[in-house]
Amino acid sequence: DARVTQTPRHKVTEMGQEVTMRCQPILGHNTVFWYRQTMMQGLELLAYFRNRAPLDDSGMPKDRFSAEMPDATLATLKIQPSEPRDSAVYFCASGLGVLNGVDNEQFFGPGTRLTVL
Amino acid sequence: AQSVTQLGSHVSVSEGALVLLRCNYSSSVPPYLFWYVQYPNQGLQLLLKYTSAATLVKGINGFEAEFKKSETSFHLTKPSAHMSDAAEYFCAVSPLFSGGYNKLIFGAGTRLAVHP
Repeated sequence: DARVTQTPRHKVTEMGQEVTMRCQPILGHNTVFWYRQTMMQGLELLAYFRNRAPLDDSGMPKDRFSAEMPDATLATLKIQPSEPRDSAVYFCASGLGVLNGVDNEQFFGPGTRLTVL
Repeated sequence: AQSVTQLGSHVSVSEGALVLLRCNYSSSVPPYLFWYVQYPNQGLQLLLKYTSAATLVKGINGFEAEFKKSETSFHLTKPSAHMSDAAEYFCAVSPLFSGGYNKLIFGAGTRLAVHP
């Protein structure tokens, strides 16, 4: 049963610390998305990649957030330094990204719940 | 820019009653439309999707949605609510001309409560 995995599932850290969240997309998927979910803002798209290349990261605070795909099986989202307002659930999703096709489904991971004290 | 509006952030129904969750989109060209469900402490899961093949789309768990171009709506329904349907539901649109990439624009979500 193919699924997106994310680690860690929960992270509590202190303000100013570096946080790294990891995502393993479904094998064969060529698009990867990072979302942040909060009560106030709902689901926000932070960044997305196609074939490991960043296509849009306009949703990310550039000064502290960075997203990378070192290889096709790993996507990372890093926050340095972290702040209390970064507390949220961060979701990774992957998909096939077929050109104007119908298979536009995104498959979501279980999320990383981040708490910054 | 395309957007999605979900009317009602909270909906409460009795077990066995009809579920109706509303979604309207703004787009000059009918996009692809999706409904996702999020159970507590879990990621989002696809319920159903509209891809222009048929206006009435059937999904998992007895849910269905009807695409109405004239109303720019894609409301989600289920004839009889079950306690296990309690969750948050998200409507999403995928622009047809997004460069081929399956970017999704999500609505704010509707939390469904089902009471005995």
